[in-house]
Amino acid sequence: RKEVEQDPGPFNVPEGATVAFNCTYSNSASQSFFWYRQDCRKEPKLLMSVYSSGNEDGRFTAQLNRASQYISLLIRDSKLSDSATYLCVVTPSGTYKYIFGTGTRLKVLA
Amino acid sequence: DTGVSQNPRHKITKRGQNVTFRCDPISEHNRLYWYRQTLGQGPEFLTYFQNEAQLEKSRLLSDRFSAERPKGSFSTLEIQRTEQGDSAMYLCASSFVERGNEQFFGPGTRLTVL
Repeated sequence: RKEVEQDPGPFNVPEGATVAFNCTYSNSASQSFFWYRQDCRKEPKLLMSVYSSGNEDGRFTAQLNRASQYISLLIRDSKLSDSATYLCVVTPSGTYKYIFGTGTRLKVLA
Repeated sequence: DTGVSQNPRHKITKRGQNVTFRCDPISEHNRLYWYRQTLGQGPEFLTYFQNEAQLEKSRLLSDRFSAERPKGSFSTLEIQRTEQGDSAMYLCASSFVERGNEQFFGPGTRLTVL
């Protein structure tokens, strides 16, 4: 079983739609969680950190459920510019390395 | 530009040759990480440094791979006797201990082994 699992998609949604991605992780002692965005042939860019209390940044909301070992990302009012791959990231306990999921591809259609 | 920089951006080499990549982190960042990414996959961890100390290496990092960060600033990643399976994007990231574990990535070096 992979340490971090994501549905690779693609998710094709119309502009203005709300879309949600989930990611599960296997190490219950994992200590920090992030969502990154990656455009084609570019480097990953930090979208947001994920906290147990949940956090929101504009149209983006991230949630962490430690009991069920998953994190989620919700994008409201999708824009064409949101089209990208969204990478789920987990840091295991006792280290600072990132464990990435395979990424979920999102295409927002006009 | 004060972000993470990597050189070269592209490298094409023949199987069996040695290659070296350089990463310059954000100036006050004391942790530096190397990852490798192949098409359709998320990045995979290779190794990381805190200042000049190499604190962790992945089992993926065979003895043909070596990384250094001699003065706790820039880092180099060398691959000896390259193989076609080494073709990938090599990403460097840095972070600042005092600001949690948010890592900032450079543009990567794309390696093609013929």
